[in-house]
Amino acid sequence: SQQGEEDPQALSIQEGENATMNCSYKTSINNLQWYRQNSGRGLVHLILIRSNEREKHSGRLRVTLDTSKKSSSLLITASRAADTASYFCATEGGQDSWGKLQFGAGTQVVVTP
Amino acid sequence: GAVVSQHPSRVICKSGTSVKIECRSLDFQATTMFWYRQFPKQSLMLMATSNEGSKATYEQGVEKDKFLINHASLTLSTLTVTSAHPEDSSFYICSAIPGPNEKLFFGSGTQLSVL
Repeated sequence: SQQGEEDPQALSIQEGENATMNCSYKTSINNLQWYRQNSGRGLVHLILIRSNEREKHSGRLRVTLDTSKKSSSLLITASRAADTASYFCATEGGQDSWGKLQFGAGTQVVVTP
Repeated sequence: GAVVSQHPSRVICKSGTSVKIECRSLDFQATTMFWYRQFPKQSLMLMATSNEGSKATYEQGVEKDKFLINHASLTLSTLTVTSAHPEDSSFYICSAIPGPNEKLFFGSGTQLSVL
């Protein structure tokens, strides 16, 4: 079953703008991960944030995690046309769930030159 | 870095035939692998957890006789879609983890089209 929702479902921006997408989940987690998927292709792991972390950066990516609200956000700064893809959050649950991910619905991002 | 290889990347088959998809961990041993399915413009749904040397654990609503999973070695899990029908057409992707609390690695996926 799907863990949570992503918001927005679709996002269209121009190059240079920032893109923000949100993810909510329902159960307790060990960590939350963000992935990118180009159309019809495999997943690219972007960033992992553990349940005891609140914010993490990787290049142009910034991820926040609020476990009290069971939500996370992904910010892509200074977007590029190559950032056009679908972005998914995924949560990894309790001790017996190592590697078992529940994915959000995804946000389709289109960056126009 | 660690790589998970998935084969084939694309397969087209006739309705009623069976299709086998392989997922290999190339440079680590994986006692556990996972199989996901993704319909067009939808998210990834976990189908089953593949355990080396034991039976797979299927998620609710996934038919174990339809989707046969074999994890005969620490580096290979296979998913066989038996008697495939057009509604089985989907993107199938596997993942593998070396051990608890370690990084997860995804295969590149298999696009199955059943005519």
